[in-house]
This record gives sequence, structure tokens and C-alpha cells, in this order.
Amino acid sequence: GESVGLHLPTLSVQEGDNSIINCAYSNSASDYFIWYKQESGKGPQFIIDIRSNMDKRQGQRVTVLLNKTVKHLSLQIAATQPGDSAVYFCAENYQGAQKLVFGQGTRLTINP
Amino acid sequence: DAGITQSPRYKITETGRQVTLMCHQTWSHSYMFWYRQDLGHGLRLIYYSAAADITDKGEVPDGYVVSRSKTENFPLTLESATRSQTSVYFCASSGAQVTQYFGPGTRLTVL
Repeated sequence: GESVGLHLPTLSVQEGDNSIINCAYSNSASDYFIWYKQESGKGPQFIIDIRSNMDKRQGQRVTVLLNKTVKHLSLQIAATQPGDSAVYFCAENYQGAQKLVFGQGTRLTINP
Repeated sequence: DAGITQSPRYKITETGRQVTLMCHQTWSHSYMFWYRQDLGHGLRLIYYSAAADITDKGEVPDGYVVSRSKTENFPLTLESATRSQTSVYFCASSGAQVTQYFGPGTRLTVL
């Protein structure tokens, strides 16, 4: 069945460095992907999304890359800050369904 | 603009008791969702609703009941709480777009 997973459950980076969080998906019919950020004690917060007709999308300090050939999604955070410490989830959706399928999440820790 | 709210934020109850978790959104979103979040399982969908009076099961519906008499409210009821239902519960909503917006969560402990 379809699934969304993450290569790394934890990621530790130095403050100021760039972070890359990866996600693999298995449903080739998925055509919309979202990254969420969840800080401790809070609900998931929308960061950025991308549709399958795009390879790259940029936001403020964040970039999402989509490689449909290998069914891989990544979130790049530039100049990581302490406030970026959180768990990051990828989620996928396929056309016609309103539901999202979430990955397990990656915990990003920032070292001073 | 309140967005999406959940109440209570924390709840402790005993096995066998009925518990209702409330969710309210001010965006007039058609879709609403209930998830539970446990370590090692990520977010799992319990129930969702496409509109008032339309609900459907998600991945883990057993032991839960939902209703949606009004578009803005989507209560989740545990009819007879069990310890395995100790979790953090998140409500979410979405409109014409697929993107879901989440509430702050309810931390439920069943003793």
C-alpha cells in the first residue's frame, strides 16, 4: 500500500548550517506533497508544499525538492536557527482524495 | 481570527469513562479530521468529515465516535476509554485546498 517514510529519524546540525530532511514516498499516483513543522507541545504547522508538476519550490529560508523518478522529497532549511528545532513531517496526497498520508517525522536539533 | 481550537488541552480520565474532545474552526472549512499521535506511529487518522452530517472512518476508528451537526464543530467521543487511548489528539481542517491546518492538540491520559 502507499506509505510515506523518512530516511533519518533524527538530525543534528550546527546553528547557521543548512539542514536537509529527506522523505521517501511509495505511491506514484501522489501528486501533492506538504512539509509540516511540529514544535514541542504544539500542533503541526504548514511550512511549504509542492505539486508533482514541479521539481522545486522555494519559500522563506526553505526549499522543497521533488524527485519523481526515485519518489523522493526533501526539505532544505537555509542558515538553520534555534527556532527551527522541531519534528518535521512530510505528507502526501493523491488526486481525488482529501486525506493526507504522513511520514513518521524527523527530529531536527540545532547545536549552538 | 481564532482559526482552529481544541478543548480541553489536557484531560485525565479513568478506564471505562466517556470522554469528549472538542474541535472548533472558524474558517468554514468543509473537511475536518481527527488524528492521534503516539511515539513510533506518527499521525494516524481516526475519523474525518467531508461536510456536516458526513463522516467516515480513518485508519484507527475503533473505540471512537464522531458527529458533525455543524460545519464548525467536530467532536470526538471515546465511549468507554481504555489505557491504549492515552495519546495526543489533533484536530485539523481543510477547505478547497488539500492542505490541512491543525489545532493545538489535546493530551489525554487514561488511568
